[in-house]
Amino acid sequence: DAGVTQSPTHLIKTRGQQVTLRCSPKSGHDTVSWYQQALGQGPQFIFQYYEEEERQRGNFPDRFSGHQFPNYSSELNVNALLLGDSALYLCASSVGLATGELFFGEGSRLTVL
Amino acid sequence: AQSVTQPDIHITVSEGASLELRCNYSYGATPYLFWYVQSPGQGLQLLLKYFSGDTLVQGIKGFEAEFKRSQSSFNLRKPSVHWSDAAEYFCAVADRGNKLVFGAGTILRVKS
Repeated sequence: DAGVTQSPTHLIKTRGQQVTLRCSPKSGHDTVSWYQQALGQGPQFIFQYYEEEERQRGNFPDRFSGHQFPNYSSELNVNALLLGDSALYLCASSVGLATGELFFGEGSRLTVL
Repeated sequence: AQSVTQPDIHITVSEGASLELRCNYSYGATPYLFWYVQSPGQGLQLLLKYFSGDTLVQGIKGFEAEFKRSQSSFNLRKPSVHWSDAAEYFCAVADRGNKLVFGAGTILRVKS
């Protein structure tokens, strides 16, 4: 049973560019959440997708956007990259919207130069 | 706003010694609390969770945590640490469904 898979694992971009990160949830899960983990910090909630709609959003600018596909996979897009966007981006999947266990992927490490 | 504080940035313990990692939370209602572990280059793995009921919860890898409402704490403990326990540990509280608010983490070093 595959867990949460994310791609790419590492990528390097320059300021002003755009990036797309991808996530496939654990089998049987229909909800995907994205978190940003800066170096030396805990993960911070970006947003959550369920039934192809953004259900909750954290304190992140509109440069951060996402999408969920009918097969429950998800993308995170970041436009106009800033140096401060360098971080580990974690995807987590779960079932429904009620509080439960989140399963995390290994993350995509983004470096902005 | 909900928040989680992990007062210790780094902790070093000897292999075989006991361990306690501290976590304090700020939440208005009955909290749903979690401990996750992150090894270098890996994602987060759930160690244990508290939703309700018995305030002492057992998790994987021999870890346990105790919920103390009066102290707003959810400390993680292990009676005997193994070298493989070296990692970073995060405490989290659920805010509105499955949105988690994490602490800054505690890095555990194990010396032989």
